[in-house]
Amino acid sequence: GDSVTQMEGPVTLSEEAFLTINCTYTATGYPSLFWYVQYPGEGLQLLLKATKADDKGSNKGFEATYRKETTSFHLEKGSVQVSDSAVYFCALRGRNFNKFYFGSGTKLNVKP
Amino acid sequence: NAGVTQTPKFQVLKTGQSMTLQCAQDMNHNSMYWYRQDPGMGLRLIYYSASEGTTDKGEVPNGYNVSRLNKREFSLRLESAAPSQTSVYFCASSEQANTEAFFGQGTRLTVV
Repeated sequence: GDSVTQMEGPVTLSEEAFLTINCTYTATGYPSLFWYVQYPGEGLQLLLKATKADDKGSNKGFEATYRKETTSFHLEKGSVQVSDSAVYFCALRGRNFNKFYFGSGTKLNVKP
Repeated sequence: NAGVTQTPKFQVLKTGQSMTLQCAQDMNHNSMYWYRQDPGMGLRLIYYSASEGTTDKGEVPNGYNVSRLNKREFSLRLESAAPSQTSVYFCASSEQANTEAFFGQGTRLTVV
């Protein structure tokens, strides 16, 4: 069945460092892929998305490219800020449009 | 823009008590979901409703029931709460096809 695997955390970086959070997926057909962010005590918010192969989603300096050949959707940011500290979830919506599948989440801590 | 609204935000129950978590969305979405979030386990789907009048089991349905009262509202009921149901519960909604899910702020439930 469909599934998402993302790197375990926590990830601790200094401000202005480069961020990569790895995400790979298993799905039949052509799923849509998402990154969500969760700040403490809040619900999940959509960060970016890509709906077909080679699409690049971007928002607030974060980027991720839908790579069908490697079944990956890695999240990157060139220079993180303390305010980026949060938990990040990779997710897919597969051929069964009624279901979303989430990774286990990666906690990011950014130190000043 | 209310989006997805969950009530209550916090709840403490004694083992064996029952309660209903309420969820309403104002985006005219067809699909609604209930997830639970536990440390290190990401989000797990409890039940979902693809459209008004239909509900289906997700990954972890045991101990829960749901009602899709109308297009806006989707409630989750715990008939006899157990400590293993201590968790943060999220309601979400989406349109069909390749769009994202929108999440509520969550209900933090503790069963003692």
